[in-house]
Amino acid sequence: SQQGEEDPQALSIQEGENATMNCSYKTSINNLQWYRQNSGRGLVHLILIRSNEREKHSGRLRVTLDTSKKSSSLLITASRAADTASYFCATVRTDSWGKLQFGAGTQVVVTP
Amino acid sequence: GAGVSQSPSNKVTEKGKDVELRCDPISGHTALYWYRQSLGQGLEFLIYFQGNSAPDKSGLPSDRFSAERTGGSVSTLTIQRTQQEDSAVYLCASSLVLAGDQQFFGPGTRLTVL
Repeated sequence: SQQGEEDPQALSIQEGENATMNCSYKTSINNLQWYRQNSGRGLVHLILIRSNEREKHSGRLRVTLDTSKKSSSLLITASRAADTASYFCATVRTDSWGKLQFGAGTQVVVTP
Repeated sequence: GAGVSQSPSNKVTEKGKDVELRCDPISGHTALYWYRQSLGQGLEFLIYFQGNSAPDKSGLPSDRFSAERTGGSVSTLTIQRTQQEDSAVYLCASSLVLAGDQQFFGPGTRLTVL
């Protein structure tokens, strides 16, 4: 079963706009990670936020984590056509070390 | 260095046949993971290896699925007597250690069972 749920399921924006997607999870976690997938193949790691962190930045990416609400958000600023992809959150639970449990993903389309 | 590689990239088989999927992790990575991605089930964890041992096989869908890893490197996922519901993309990932940190994914094997 999937740990996380993401919303929206799909997002369509224009280049230059910001894209925000959310992820909720159910159990206690060690960390939460975001991955990007192009064309339904391999996933690329974007950013990892640990359970004792609240916010993290990497380039145009900003991730927040609220463990009291069991939720996270990923913000992509100044989006580009190359950001078109599916984005997945994945959690590492404290009781099942190592394996990632993925959300359903958000499909983002950025139009020039 | 080279990333995670998987072979074959695509596999079409007939229902009832056995298939073997191969994963070459990044050199030096001790942890290896198998996931499956299908339209109906999303991304599912199947199994992970720490070295050559598999402490957690809880994600394998049935006893038709098995996996092994030899020499702490290459892993093979075997599906016996394939069924149509086995059709999916099978993704392999590796990480330096089993520490819950980022995993590096291969391009996947797309399995189609006719």
